Amino acid sequence: AQSVTQLGSHVSVSEGALVLLRCNYSSSVPPYLFWYVQYPNQGLQLLLKYTSAATLVKGINGFEAEFKKSETSFHLTKPSAHMSDAAEYFCAVKGGAGSYQLTFGKGTKLSVIP
Amino acid sequence: GAVVSQHPSWVICKSGTSVKIECRSLDFQATTMFWYRQFPKQSLMLMATSNEGSKATYEQGVEKDKFLINHASLTLSTLTVTSAHPEDSSFYICSASRGVQETQYFGPGTRLLVL
Repeated sequence: AQSVTQLGSHVSVSEGALVLLRCNYSSSVPPYLFWYVQYPNQGLQLLLKYTSAATLVKGINGFEAEFKKSETSFHLTKPSAHMSDAAEYFCAVKGGAGSYQLTFGKGTKLSVIP
Repeated sequence: GAVVSQHPSWVICKSGTSVKIECRSLDFQATTMFWYRQFPKQSLMLMATSNEGSKATYEQGVEKDKFLINHASLTLSTLTVTSAHPEDSSFYICSASRGVQETQYFGPGTRLLVL
Protein backbone atom coordinates (compact mmCIF):
# COMPACT_ATOMS: atom_id res chain seq x y z
CA ALA A 1 0.00 0.00 0.00
CA GLN A 2 1.17 3.51 -0.67
CA SER A 3 0.01 6.97 0.28
CA VAL A 4 0.95 10.59 -0.18
CA THR A 5 0.55 13.49 2.22
CA GLN A 6 0.88 17.04 1.00
CA LEU A 7 1.27 19.50 3.85
CA GLY A 8 -0.66 22.66 3.25
CA SER A 9 -3.64 22.77 0.95
CA HIS A 10 -2.84 26.37 0.10
CA VAL A 11 0.53 28.13 -0.06
CA SER A 12 1.05 31.80 -0.85
CA VAL A 13 4.39 33.31 -1.81
CA SER A 14 5.48 36.66 -3.11
CA GLU A 15 6.74 36.95 -6.65
CA GLY A 16 10.48 36.28 -6.60
CA ALA A 17 10.37 34.37 -3.32
CA LEU A 18 11.28 30.74 -2.74
CA VAL A 19 8.60 28.17 -3.47
CA LEU A 20 8.51 25.12 -1.19
CA LEU A 21 5.72 22.57 -1.53
CA ARG A 22 5.92 19.62 0.83
CA CYS A 23 5.24 15.99 0.05
CA ASN A 24 5.69 12.96 2.26
CA TYR A 25 5.02 9.44 1.10
CA SER A 26 4.70 5.95 2.40
CA SER A 27 5.46 2.92 0.32
CA SER A 28 6.27 -0.68 1.08
CA VAL A 29 8.70 -0.82 -1.83
CA PRO A 30 11.20 1.69 -3.23
CA PRO A 31 8.92 4.28 -4.79
CA TYR A 32 8.77 6.23 -7.96
CA LEU A 33 7.69 9.79 -7.18
CA PHE A 34 6.14 12.47 -9.34
CA TRP A 35 5.10 16.09 -9.21
CA TYR A 36 2.34 17.27 -11.51
CA VAL A 37 0.93 20.77 -12.05
CA GLN A 38 -2.67 21.50 -12.93
CA TYR A 39 -3.84 24.84 -14.25
CA PRO A 40 -7.55 25.72 -13.92
CA ASN A 41 -9.83 23.51 -15.98
CA GLN A 42 -6.89 21.63 -17.45
CA GLY A 43 -5.35 18.20 -17.07
CA LEU A 44 -2.12 17.41 -15.29
CA GLN A 45 1.30 18.25 -16.66
CA LEU A 46 4.34 16.31 -15.48
CA LEU A 47 6.86 18.59 -13.75
CA LEU A 48 9.42 15.99 -12.76
CA LYS A 49 9.84 12.43 -11.63
CA TYR A 50 12.16 10.38 -9.43
CA THR A 51 12.83 6.82 -10.54
CA SER A 52 15.68 5.69 -8.26
CA ALA A 53 18.48 7.47 -10.06
CA ALA A 54 19.80 10.84 -8.80
CA THR A 55 18.08 11.99 -5.62
CA LEU A 56 17.95 15.60 -6.80
CA VAL A 57 15.64 15.82 -9.77
CA LYS A 58 15.35 18.82 -12.02
CA GLY A 59 12.14 19.44 -13.88
CA ILE A 60 10.54 21.93 -16.17
CA ASN A 61 9.92 25.62 -15.45
CA GLY A 62 12.83 25.81 -12.96
CA PHE A 63 11.36 23.37 -10.44
CA GLU A 64 13.34 20.68 -8.69
CA ALA A 65 12.70 18.11 -5.99
CA GLU A 66 14.91 16.10 -3.69
CA PHE A 67 14.19 12.52 -2.67
CA LYS A 68 15.09 11.95 0.97
CA LYS A 69 14.59 8.35 1.94
CA SER A 70 15.32 8.94 5.64
CA GLU A 71 12.57 11.54 5.79
CA THR A 72 10.26 9.81 3.26
CA SER A 73 9.95 13.18 1.59
CA PHE A 74 9.97 14.56 -1.92
CA HIS A 75 9.54 18.31 -1.51
CA LEU A 76 9.21 20.56 -4.56
CA THR A 77 11.16 23.80 -4.73
CA LYS A 78 11.77 26.72 -7.03
CA PRO A 79 14.20 29.51 -6.12
CA SER A 80 12.13 32.38 -7.45
CA ALA A 81 8.36 32.31 -7.90
CA HIS A 82 6.78 33.70 -11.03
CA MET A 83 3.17 34.76 -11.48
CA SER A 84 2.72 31.99 -14.01
CA ASP A 85 3.52 29.40 -11.32
CA ALA A 86 0.12 29.94 -9.70
CA ALA A 87 -1.63 26.58 -10.05
CA GLU A 88 -2.49 23.38 -8.21
CA TYR A 89 0.38 20.99 -7.58
CA PHE A 90 0.00 17.27 -6.99
CA CYS A 91 2.54 14.86 -5.63
CA ALA A 92 2.09 11.23 -6.63
CA VAL A 93 3.73 7.92 -5.76
CA LYS A 94 4.01 4.70 -7.68
CA GLY A 95 5.16 1.54 -5.98
CA GLY A 96 8.40 1.19 -7.88
CA ALA A 97 9.08 -0.32 -11.27
CA GLY A 98 6.73 -3.23 -10.74
CA SER A 99 3.66 -1.14 -10.12
CA TYR A 100 1.43 0.87 -12.40
CA GLN A 101 -1.00 2.65 -10.12
CA LEU A 102 -0.39 6.29 -9.25
CA THR A 103 -1.59 7.44 -5.87
CA PHE A 104 -2.05 11.20 -5.64
CA GLY A 105 -1.90 13.58 -2.76
CA LYS A 106 -4.74 16.01 -2.19
CA GLY A 107 -2.91 18.81 -3.89
CA THR A 108 -1.50 22.18 -2.89
CA LYS A 109 -2.78 25.35 -4.44
CA LEU A 110 0.03 27.83 -4.99
CA SER A 111 -0.80 31.53 -5.11
CA VAL A 112 1.81 34.07 -6.17
CA ILE A 113 1.40 37.58 -4.85
CA PRO A 114 2.70 40.41 -7.03
CA GLY B 1 5.98 14.33 -27.74
CA ALA B 2 3.52 12.49 -25.49
CA VAL B 3 0.41 14.57 -26.15
CA VAL B 4 -2.97 13.32 -25.01
CA SER B 5 -6.26 14.88 -26.04
CA GLN B 6 -9.79 14.49 -24.76
CA HIS B 7 -13.08 15.22 -26.43
CA PRO B 8 -15.32 16.88 -25.57
CA SER B 9 -13.74 19.34 -23.16
CA TRP B 10 -17.09 19.87 -21.52
CA VAL B 11 -20.55 18.40 -21.85
CA ILE B 12 -23.96 19.06 -20.34
CA CYS B 13 -26.56 16.34 -20.53
CA LYS B 14 -29.94 15.43 -19.11
CA SER B 15 -30.32 12.87 -16.37
CA GLY B 16 -30.80 9.39 -17.78
CA THR B 17 -28.85 9.92 -20.97
CA SER B 18 -25.46 8.44 -21.85
CA VAL B 19 -22.31 10.41 -22.54
CA LYS B 20 -19.18 9.25 -24.33
CA ILE B 21 -15.76 10.78 -23.67
CA GLU B 22 -12.82 10.11 -25.96
CA CYS B 23 -9.16 9.99 -24.98
CA ARG B 24 -6.53 9.97 -27.71
CA SER B 25 -2.76 9.71 -27.67
CA LEU B 26 -1.72 11.95 -30.55
CA ASP B 27 1.95 11.14 -31.06
CA PHE B 28 2.59 7.80 -29.42
CA GLN B 29 1.06 4.40 -29.07
CA ALA B 30 -0.63 4.00 -25.73
CA THR B 31 -0.70 0.40 -24.62
CA THR B 32 -2.36 1.45 -21.40
CA MET B 33 -4.86 4.19 -20.63
CA PHE B 34 -6.17 5.24 -17.27
CA TRP B 35 -9.39 7.02 -16.35
CA TYR B 36 -9.59 9.30 -13.32
CA ARG B 37 -12.31 11.30 -11.68
CA GLN B 38 -11.71 14.54 -9.86
CA PHE B 39 -14.24 16.27 -7.64
CA PRO B 40 -13.90 20.01 -6.89
CA LYS B 41 -10.92 20.82 -4.71
CA GLN B 42 -9.99 17.15 -4.42
CA SER B 43 -7.36 14.90 -5.86
CA LEU B 44 -7.63 12.47 -8.72
CA MET B 45 -9.15 9.10 -8.03
CA LEU B 46 -8.35 6.25 -10.36
CA MET B 47 -11.49 4.71 -11.80
CA ALA B 48 -10.12 2.09 -14.16
CA THR B 49 -7.15 0.92 -16.16
CA SER B 50 -7.46 -0.32 -19.71
CA ASN B 51 -5.00 -2.15 -21.90
CA GLU B 52 -5.47 -2.15 -25.64
CA GLY B 53 -7.57 -5.09 -26.71
CA SER B 54 -8.41 -6.21 -23.17
CA LYS B 55 -11.20 -5.59 -20.73
CA ALA B 56 -10.69 -2.72 -18.36
CA THR B 57 -9.77 -3.28 -14.73
CA TYR B 58 -11.99 -1.24 -12.43
CA GLU B 59 -11.07 0.08 -9.00
CA GLN B 60 -13.10 -0.94 -6.00
CA GLY B 61 -16.36 0.93 -5.78
CA VAL B 62 -16.52 1.87 -9.47
CA GLU B 63 -19.51 0.41 -11.27
CA LYS B 64 -18.28 -1.20 -14.47
CA ASP B 65 -21.78 -1.33 -15.95
CA LYS B 66 -22.18 2.38 -15.44
CA PHE B 67 -18.75 3.48 -16.62
CA LEU B 68 -18.08 1.55 -19.80
CA ILE B 69 -14.51 1.68 -21.04
CA ASN B 70 -13.34 0.62 -24.47
CA HIS B 71 -9.71 0.63 -25.58
CA ALA B 72 -10.03 -0.61 -29.12
CA SER B 73 -6.82 0.82 -30.55
CA LEU B 74 -3.39 1.97 -29.44
CA THR B 75 -4.43 5.60 -29.71
CA LEU B 76 -8.03 5.69 -28.53
CA SER B 77 -9.92 4.86 -25.38
CA THR B 78 -13.50 5.83 -24.63
CA LEU B 79 -15.40 6.21 -21.38
CA THR B 80 -19.18 6.05 -21.61
CA VAL B 81 -21.19 7.19 -18.63
CA THR B 82 -24.46 5.32 -18.98
CA SER B 83 -27.75 6.60 -17.57
CA ALA B 84 -26.02 9.61 -16.13
CA HIS B 85 -27.27 11.18 -12.91
CA PRO B 86 -26.42 14.51 -11.29
CA GLU B 87 -24.02 12.79 -8.88
CA ASP B 88 -21.95 11.73 -11.91
CA SER B 89 -21.15 15.38 -12.56
CA SER B 90 -17.40 15.67 -12.25
CA PHE B 91 -14.12 16.32 -14.05
CA TYR B 92 -12.97 13.21 -15.88
CA ILE B 93 -9.30 12.96 -16.82
CA CYS B 94 -7.59 10.28 -18.83
CA SER B 95 -3.93 9.43 -19.04
CA ALA B 96 -1.99 7.30 -21.46
CA SER B 97 1.29 5.44 -21.26
CA ARG B 98 3.46 3.39 -23.55
CA GLY B 99 3.28 0.54 -21.08
CA VAL B 100 1.43 -0.21 -17.89
CA GLN B 101 4.47 0.75 -15.83
CA GLU B 102 5.60 3.68 -17.95
CA THR B 103 5.11 7.38 -17.27
CA GLN B 104 1.52 8.52 -17.59
CA TYR B 105 0.71 11.55 -19.74
CA PHE B 106 -2.53 13.27 -18.94
CA GLY B 107 -5.26 14.67 -21.12
CA PRO B 108 -6.80 18.10 -20.49
CA GLY B 109 -9.93 16.63 -18.90
CA THR B 110 -13.65 16.63 -19.63
CA ARG B 111 -16.07 18.44 -17.40
CA LEU B 112 -19.43 16.67 -17.22
CA LEU B 113 -22.54 18.33 -15.86
CA VAL B 114 -25.68 16.23 -15.55
CA LEU B 115 -28.87 18.19 -15.09
